[in-house]
Amino acid sequence: AQSVTQPDIHITVSEGASLELRCNYSYGATPYLFWYVQSPGQGLQLLLKYFSGDTLVQGIKGFEAEFKRSQSSFNLRKPSVHWSDAAEYFCAVGGGADGLTFGKGTHLIIQP
Amino acid sequence: NAGVTQTPKFQVLKTGQSMTLQCAQDMNHNSMYWYRQDPGMGLRLIYYSASEGTTDKGEVPNGYNVSRLNKREFSLRLESAAPSQTSVYFCASRVTRVTEAFFGQGTRLTVV
Repeated sequence: AQSVTQPDIHITVSEGASLELRCNYSYGATPYLFWYVQSPGQGLQLLLKYFSGDTLVQGIKGFEAEFKRSQSSFNLRKPSVHWSDAAEYFCAVGGGADGLTFGKGTHLIIQP
Repeated sequence: NAGVTQTPKFQVLKTGQSMTLQCAQDMNHNSMYWYRQDPGMGLRLIYYSASEGTTDKGEVPNGYNVSRLNKREFSLRLESAAPSQTSVYFCASRVTRVTEAFFGQGTRLTVV
């Protein structure tokens, strides 16, 4: 069965500092990996996705993620966070007919 | 661009009442999904429809039924609402099983 683990429930980062959100997955075949962001009271917006090819993928809002097959990881990074990045972040894996499997999310808090 | 549209946005039900959550997408996507989001649990799949005319159970189907009315519409029905079904419900769609999912804005349901 596929699964996603996001080890950090909450992360606090100062504005302007760098960010890394961790994601580990378990999937039986070649994984299709995603990061979504959810602002309060909103739906989920796709930040980036990995299907194949270059293991470093670029997304919207200055985010990037690196796929590491040997570590079963797909960590999200941003060089310098802005106050508007405060949100809930979800990592997901999927490639089957039954949709995406999500991690439990990481709540990002930005300190001024 | 409408994308995925869910109605209603908010609903309060009494225990034992029934209701149907509506979802429609205008992107000509083949697959549609219903998830529920609870604090600290991420998103869990309730039911999905891989293509028009098919539906299947997800991780947490008990207490729910679905109908894929046509390619655009996928509804979720609660026959006899229970307080445990208090949650935020998201509908999603995607072109195929190897593409990203697009989400609606959610329905916040409270069962008292």
